[in-house]
Amino acid sequence: AQSVTQLGSHVSVSEGALVLLRCNYSSSVPPYLFWYVQYPNQGLQLLLKYTTGATLVKGINGFEAEFKKSETSFHLTKPSAHMSDAAEYFCAVSDRRQGGSEKLVFGKGTKLTVNP
Amino acid sequence: KAGVTQTPRYLIKTRGQQVTLSCSPISGHRSVSWYQQTPGQGLQFLFEYFSETQRNKGNFPGRFSGRQFSNSRSEMNVSTLELGDSALYLCASSSEAGRVPDTQYFGPGTRLTVL
Repeated sequence: AQSVTQLGSHVSVSEGALVLLRCNYSSSVPPYLFWYVQYPNQGLQLLLKYTTGATLVKGINGFEAEFKKSETSFHLTKPSAHMSDAAEYFCAVSDRRQGGSEKLVFGKGTKLTVNP
Repeated sequence: KAGVTQTPRYLIKTRGQQVTLSCSPISGHRSVSWYQQTPGQGLQFLFEYFSETQRNKGNFPGRFSGRQFSNSRSEMNVSTLELGDSALYLCASSSEAGRVPDTQYFGPGTRLTVL
């Protein structure tokens, strides 16, 4: 069964600093990986996804993530944090191949605070 | 294109009651999934419907059920509500246009409070 571990339930950075949110996964098949963002009182918005091919994936709002199979990691980064990046971020893995269903397995989330 | 809509946005019920939540997917999307989000358990998969059939189900008791209509709209029902059912219930739709994996688009959620 797939699982996702997000290291650090809370991360705090200064505006303009590097954002690094960590995600490690466990999967019995080559994984499909996602990062979603959730703003207060809203649903989830897709930031980026990894399927196959290029291991460095670029997403919206300047975020990117690198798939490292040897480390079973899919960390999310952004070179320079903006106040509007304050939100909760979720890493997820898809087990689409099992029965053809699009079920996502999520990590516990990382709440990002950006200090002025 | 309009996004995924969920109604109602907020709901307050008492223990023992039942509740029905509604989800309208993005136009043309045929797959609808439901997730429960709580501070303790995080985001957990409830079930997924495709072409009016339940295609996958998470580890929730039988009090949680759902259905999908021919227009792809979906409802989920929780009977005999318990305090622990208080959560944000999120609906997501995907197009099933042959891409693997398909992207799930989430609605704003229904916040259910059980008193």
